[in-house]
Amino acid sequence: SQQGEEDPQALSIQEGENATMNCSYKTSINNLQWYRQNSGRGLVHLILIRSNEREKHSGRLRVTLDTSKKSSSLLITASRAADTASYFCATGGEETSGSRLTFGEGTQLTVNP
Amino acid sequence: DGGITQSPKYLFRKEGQNVTLSCEQNLNHDAMYWYRQDPGQGLRLIYYSQIVNDFQKGDIAEGYSVSREKKESFPLTVTSAQKNPTAFYLCASSTTSLYGYTFGSGTRLTVV
Repeated sequence: SQQGEEDPQALSIQEGENATMNCSYKTSINNLQWYRQNSGRGLVHLILIRSNEREKHSGRLRVTLDTSKKSSSLLITASRAADTASYFCATGGEETSGSRLTFGEGTQLTVNP
Repeated sequence: DGGITQSPKYLFRKEGQNVTLSCEQNLNHDAMYWYRQDPGQGLRLIYYSQIVNDFQKGDIAEGYSVSREKKESFPLTVTSAQKNPTAFYLCASSTTSLYGYTFGSGTRLTVV
């Protein structure tokens, strides 16, 4: 079963604009992660936010987490055509080896030059 | 360079045949995973292994089998019992989930 649900399913913006993607989940979590997937390729880990954190930054990425609403958002600022990809949230359990992640269905982001 | 390698990139299977997808990592990660991705959808967990000689079923294990005889290798066999095997298969590995998963580049399996 899918734990995370991303919203919107697809997003199309112009280069330079900001892109915001949302993720909702159902059960309690220890951490939430965001991944990026270019077409036909594997996923790349972008950022992890723990359940006791509210906001985290990495370069042009900003992630927020609201555990009371069971939701997270990923903001990409000053988007570039190279940001075109699918973005997935994944929820994790214990921070130990072999902890399984449950992925959402993803948001397809298109950045038009 | 450390990484995770999946082979082949494309695989064609006739109905009724078993096929094995390879996944090898040199990251010294203890845990390895197999996910299935259908067009426009998220990832669904097939099997995962936390240590050598041990593995657990994921959400959609029926019609699949795995082995974990070496830390570096986690091959997936798609058996003839899998009724709809055409999909994109992704292998991943991890230490603690704190650092996220490292994914391979995937194998696209098509039944002909």
